Amino acid sequence: TQLLEQSPQFLSIQEGENLTVYCNSSSVFSSLQWYRQEPGEGPVLLVTVVTGGEVKKLKRLTFQFGDARKDSSLHITAAQPGDTGLYLCAGVVAAGNKLTFGGGTRVLVKP
Amino acid sequence: EAGVVQSPRYKIIEKKQPVAFWCNPISGHNTLYWYLQNLGQGPELLIRYENEEAVDDSQLPKDRFSAERLKGVDSTLKIQPAELGDSAVYLCASSHRAPGGTDTQYFGPGTRLTVL
Repeated sequence: TQLLEQSPQFLSIQEGENLTVYCNSSSVFSSLQWYRQEPGEGPVLLVTVVTGGEVKKLKRLTFQFGDARKDSSLHITAAQPGDTGLYLCAGVVAAGNKLTFGGGTRVLVKP
Repeated sequence: EAGVVQSPRYKIIEKKQPVAFWCNPISGHNTLYWYLQNLGQGPELLIRYENEEAVDDSQLPKDRFSAERLKGVDSTLKIQPAELGDSAVYLCASSHRAPGGTDTQYFGPGTRLTVL
């Protein structure tokens, strides 16, 4: 079983501050995805990173895939209340295209 | 385009009762997934279908859980009998395999099950 550990589990910040969420594993993944989930809804895909060392930017969100494809980070600049939600990373194993989710990081951005 | 539809959205039952969840995937998506998500945790795969074939059901507790996707479109997940520990959100997702690419899974809103 491949495990993905996310840290921190919970993060509460003020609007305008920056935050970083980490996703770590001892296993190598062919790609890694980040999702955001709001209460009462299913997870929504934010980004897929494929290449070791890859950095992707989505407006104020920056995603990085570790060189060894075992870890990833999500950085949010100038967080807004609309960024509040549960952020999930998910590793993809090439065979069978199976997703293994981390435990999630609950982010609360206070106005 | 309609997303993944799940029903019911909420279900409260007493332990030992049966319960069923229904999922209608996005039109044209041949792959369908059922996940279980406990409070404050990430989803865990229960079963994956390619069309009507269950290709990965290794995490499905087969003593009480069953699933079907008879015509390769919508699917049902059943628990019989339900136990207190089954209280969770049951998510359905669907995807369409892009050649040489990674599936993008689209999730439904889930069914929140409470077993009393």
